[in-house]
Amino acid sequence: DQQVKQNSPSLSVQEGRISILNCDYTNSMFDYFLWYKKYPAEGPTFLISISSIKDKNEDGRFTVFLNKSAKHLSLHIVPSQPGDSAVYFCAVGSGNTGKLIFGQGTTLQVKP
Amino acid sequence: NAGVTQTPKFQVLKTGQSMTLQCAQDMNHNSMYWYRQDPGMGLRLIYYSASEGTTDKGEVPNGYNVSRLNKREFSLRLESAAPSQTSVYFCASREDRGWGNTEAFFGQGTRLTVV
Repeated sequence: DQQVKQNSPSLSVQEGRISILNCDYTNSMFDYFLWYKKYPAEGPTFLISISSIKDKNEDGRFTVFLNKSAKHLSLHIVPSQPGDSAVYFCAVGSGNTGKLIFGQGTTLQVKP
Repeated sequence: NAGVTQTPKFQVLKTGQSMTLQCAQDMNHNSMYWYRQDPGMGLRLIYYSASEGTTDKGEVPNGYNVSRLNKREFSLRLESAAPSQTSVYFCASREDRGWGNTEAFFGQGTRLTVV
């Protein structure tokens, strides 16, 4: 049974608008949450993270929201740019090993 | 600054052949990981190493062995390749700062096809 789910395989938005990517998890013991971005033929690159003691973390155009009661994580990108077009993975973990469980990914397309 | 380097980038194997995927990082990180990514799925952890000389199984370790040769290098070996091991393999490393959410840095991946 998947512990981390990204239920939208793809998302298309217009340049300048907001992109919202969602992620649900099942285990309330997870205590840190990350978003990675992946371009074709490249490895994932870290985007932003949040620990379980917070409900929001912001870095420039990227904001991650954590709703622990709903076991839900979201990434907001404002404003979206064509260069943001990529696959976005949420990843969760617990403890200090850094071992991550990834969602299936959401392909974001930002149209000029 | 090379980061995490994986070799080879592409490989085709016949069923039953063996091979070793190489990974090296130049960031002086303690922790290293091997993941595989299959179509429509997220990355899944194969093996993990917290430090030189230590390794631990991840979610999908069957059919694989690993070696943490030194702090820089972490190799993944397929002793007898099977078509189910056709995948893209990613190596990653992470600085251990005492909490889990320090980010991992990934290599560019090895695309392996087993025929």
